[in-house]
Amino acid sequence: GAVVSQHPSWVICKSGTSVKIECRSLDFQATTMFWYRQFPKQSLMLMATSNEGSKATYEQGVEKDKFLINHASLTLSTLTVTSAHPEDSSFYICSGRGGAYEQYFGPGTRLTVT
Amino acid sequence: EDKVVQSPLSLVVHEGDTVTLNCSYEVTNFRSLLWYKQEKKAPTFLFMLTSSGIEKKSGRLSSILDKKELFSILNITATQTGDSAVYLCAVVVNAGNMLTFGGGTRLMVKP
Repeated sequence: GAVVSQHPSWVICKSGTSVKIECRSLDFQATTMFWYRQFPKQSLMLMATSNEGSKATYEQGVEKDKFLINHASLTLSTLTVTSAHPEDSSFYICSGRGGAYEQYFGPGTRLTVT
Repeated sequence: EDKVVQSPLSLVVHEGDTVTLNCSYEVTNFRSLLWYKQEKKAPTFLFMLTSSGIEKKSGRLSSILDKKELFSILNITATQTGDSAVYLCAVVVNAGNMLTFGGGTRLMVKP
């Protein structure tokens, strides 16, 4: 199957700082990438849909000024958590769209804000 | 509002048992249903189902979709401890390929 990588896998930052998470499709071109957030023992919640070369579409309740998404190329999308606070601590997972309906998930990034 | 519901929430079985996980959905524009297995990190793809009544099979895992009754089941036979994971069901509801996930079923297989 197709491979998606995320970097970093775990990041700890201080409250008020910004953190960038990278999502790369390694062996396929992803015109669409998705960003999810997952709290402990809960399912994945879609945050936004990112299309290459255009603005991301955010789900209701997700602050676009806080979670900046850039999809500059067919293999790279980035999520920047600006002015992070402890409540932003979570597991962030990206996926790339491949084929008709399949999505290939990255390994996730654990963000801890102290 | 699109809704995907999985049951049971949690299941503990012994090695060798057979389990059936359920996923029901109420969505406006169904396209396909996907099953994922999530261990410590991100979900790994298991099956994609688009047509009713056609069983998908991979080793000890199999799945089937009923589009009339709006549900799918995932069967695991002869369970092993390595099957312990959260199993997620997700539905694609539009051409944009967005997934709506169910809450997951946490399976624990004891030796």
